[in-house]
Formats: sequence, structure tokens, C-alpha cells
Amino acid sequence: KAGVTQTPRYLIKTRGQQVTLSCSPISGHRSVSWYQQTPGQGLQFLFEYFSETQRNKGNFPGRFSGRQFSNSRSEMNVSTLELGDSALYLCASTRGGQGYNEQFFGPGTRLTVL
Amino acid sequence: KNEVEQSPQNLTAQEGEFITINCSYSVGISALHWLQQHPGGGIVSLFMLSSGKKKHGRLIATINIQEKHSSLHITASHPRDSAVYICAVRGETSGSRLTFGEGTQLTVNP
Repeated sequence: KAGVTQTPRYLIKTRGQQVTLSCSPISGHRSVSWYQQTPGQGLQFLFEYFSETQRNKGNFPGRFSGRQFSNSRSEMNVSTLELGDSALYLCASTRGGQGYNEQFFGPGTRLTVL
Repeated sequence: KNEVEQSPQNLTAQEGEFITINCSYSVGISALHWLQQHPGGGIVSLFMLSSGKKKHGRLIATINIQEKHSSLHITASHPRDSAVYICAVRGETSGSRLTFGEGTQLTVNP
């Protein structure tokens, strides 16, 4: 069974631009969560999507948004990039629904904002 | 005070040593995860616990819900165990949302 995939793996942007990152969950998984990892703040939750609906949202500004498609693939978008948005962005998928589901992480997208 | 606290932040051991990493949390949880992150960023889920103890190979994870504390043990440590180990909790009503500790950098020397 293929794991969680994220594209692109590396990205360089300049301040003010916008970026879209993609995450394909494990087949059959309906929940996708996004996390940001920086040296200063560590890992922080961005948002979670389940069956195309945002189920949970972290404390990030509105410049960070996401969506999920009917095939469970998810995208996140960051508009008006700032230097502080440079980070490793990770997504994780779970089966979702009832119960305590294990999360499976993708390899991440490393975003550098110049 | 962070909701999830790990100790130690850094740990250096000799190959073969028994290693313990601790995690304390201050909120009600539905589950606790132990994660491993190697250089390059990839994260692997080691354990998901809601009670008791789990064992996988040389790794053992325990949780005490009453004391809000969990430990990760590595027996007969090996240089390939060198990584960052992260404790993360899922709140009682937070869906799949995880809150993370700061991580423990483990270095095992041959």
C-alpha cells in the first residue's frame, strides 16, 4: 500500500508570492491533517479535513487555507508569503471516523521564502 | 507552560545502553503518540497509546493516565536509533489534531 505522498518536496518562493502544497493520503484514509514545523516553534497543527470538510483549525492567520477533494487528496495554500513561513510542512492521514486512529505522515514539503 | 513537556531535550548514549524519554501533559487526552523523526524530516509513528503499555521490538511505551505521564524506552540502543523522538497528544475533543512536545534529540554512539 502506497504511503502518504506530498508534492513538491522542495520549494523556493519570494515574499508576497503564494504557494500551493499537495498531499495524497493513503488509499482509504478520509482524514488529512496539516502541520508546520519550524526550528523556533516546533510542530504546530494547521488544520484537519475529513470528507471534504474542515473539522479543526489551528491558530494560524487567514493567509493559510486548505481544502480537500472527493478523492481525499488535500491542498493547502499560503498567500502573501512572509519570511517566517519558511518551514517544513507535513501532512498526515488517518482512516478518520470513530476510534483512535494512527496518523501516517508524509515526507513533507520544505518551503523556503526569500 | 506548554501542554506537552518532554525530557530530556538532548540525550547522548553509548551503544547498548537502556534509554528512557519522558513526556508529561496537562490536558485530558484521548490518545498519546510517540513519533520518530530522522534528519531530512520524515516522521514515523512508533506508538499510539490510550492506556497501559505497548512493545515493538526494542521499543517500549507506557502511559499513566492518572499521572498524565508517558515514557518511551529503548533497550539495547543502537546508532541507528539516533533521531528526534517526539511525544504528541490528541485532546479528548480535538479530532485528529495533535499537540506536540519539543522533541528529544537522541544520539547513540558506537
